[in-house]
Amino acid sequence: DIVMTQSPDSLAVSLGERATINCKSTQSVLYSSNNKNYLAWYQQKPGQPPKLLIYWASTRESGVPDRFSGSGSGTDFTLTITSLQAEDVAVYYCQQYYATPPTFGQGTKVEIK
Amino acid sequence: EVQLVESGGGLAQPGGSLRLSCAASGFSFSSHWMHWVRQAPGKGLVWVSRINGAGASTIYADSVKGRFTISRDNAKNTVYLQMNSLRTEDTAVYFCVRGGVVTFDYWGQGSLVTVSS
Repeated sequence: DIVMTQSPDSLAVSLGERATINCKSTQSVLYSSNNKNYLAWYQQKPGQPPKLLIYWASTRESGVPDRFSGSGSGTDFTLTITSLQAEDVAVYYCQQYYATPPTFGQGTKVEIK
Repeated sequence: EVQLVESGGGLAQPGGSLRLSCAASGFSFSSHWMHWVRQAPGKGLVWVSRINGAGASTIYADSVKGRFTISRDNAKNTVYLQMNSLRTEDTAVYFCVRGGVVTFDYWGQGSLVTVSS
């Protein structure tokens, strides 16, 4: 199975500041035939199910604010939240869908400093 | 509006059984793969199982293979997870998840399964 490792496990950021979450996979999730990275990011607020934010490593799901952005390729990826808002307090997960079973990172908890 | 509503969770004894149901609405159900993903209390997300649109192809995580069975009834827009030989480590919230064009795009609210004596 592909293991996904996120860093840090938690971070506290001031309102309006940038939050950066990293995700590393044990093997590349870049599919050479279409040059797409099979990597998604989800946001889970307390008591709620996860919500898809980003897929193909950098494509925002419809309705997701543009302060959320994804980058990276191969085995190293980043989720960036520019100008953190109070409603962004949540746990964020990366997930690979390159191989079965699909696997998730352990999650990164984002809080307000 | 896409909706996924799970039911059937509850308390089961080790070695016991439960069947989860997920009623879907707001989309062409038979056109989508459906998944179950679970989350133990205070823990992360773990994929459990997947079924294709026709119900002919299924796959399971190693941790549940041989104990859990996923199925679907496209006439009722419902997907099921039959859980047998339950273990304490199966305790989790079980989410019904739609497989979108790319990956998991809609999630139900989840159903709590507690396995305890």
